[in-house]
Amino acid sequence: DAGVIQSPRHEVTEMGQEVTLRCKPISGHDYLFWYRQTMMRGLELLIYFNNNVPIDDSGMPEDRFSAKMPNASFSTLKIQPSEPRDSAVYFCASTVLLSETQYFGPGTRLLVL
Amino acid sequence: KNQVEQSPQSLIILEGKNCTLQCNYTVSPFSNLRWYKQDTGRGPVSLTIMTFSENTKSNGRYTATLDADTKQSSLHITASQLSDSASYICVVGGGTSYGKLTFGQGTILTVHP
Repeated sequence: DAGVIQSPRHEVTEMGQEVTLRCKPISGHDYLFWYRQTMMRGLELLIYFNNNVPIDDSGMPEDRFSAKMPNASFSTLKIQPSEPRDSAVYFCASTVLLSETQYFGPGTRLLVL
Repeated sequence: KNQVEQSPQSLIILEGKNCTLQCNYTVSPFSNLRWYKQDTGRGPVSLTIMTFSENTKSNGRYTATLDADTKQSSLHITASQLSDSASYICVVGGGTSYGKLTFGQGTILTVHP
């Protein structure tokens, strides 16, 4: 298995632009998570899905952030409009059960100028 | 407020030596406690997961302990290797949402030859 796949690996954009991050979870995993990591705040859970349905989005910072999971093999995290404070590494992770290990992707490093 | 505190923030040891990292948490209700290793520029990788009834779990040279009464955990690394240089993150599952994980800020371990 290729593991969790994220794209792009790096993204540089200007303030106000729309940013879309993509994730392909491990096949057969029913849970998908989006995290954000910064030096100041560490790792933070943004949202997680179970069987493509959003379960907890309380970590989504504001309305500029939205996430979708149209099918079991694909999810997107969109930021519109982006701001410099959104600069961070965004990780996607997946797992079979909530009590089991989460497998993280390599992350997308986002820089908003 | 659910919190996970780790100590020390950083640690430098010589190759071959042992070390212990600490984690204190206030997450309630408690579901499980995880230790992750994160190499620079990569996503976190799970080392151990412990539930309330487990007080120790090993993964090779890594041994995690859990004291649910005092809400403390430790990660002991035996015979350290250069490849152990990484950030070690304590993560507690539970709180208001079963799927929600509360992350510590991590301990940065540097192993010198």
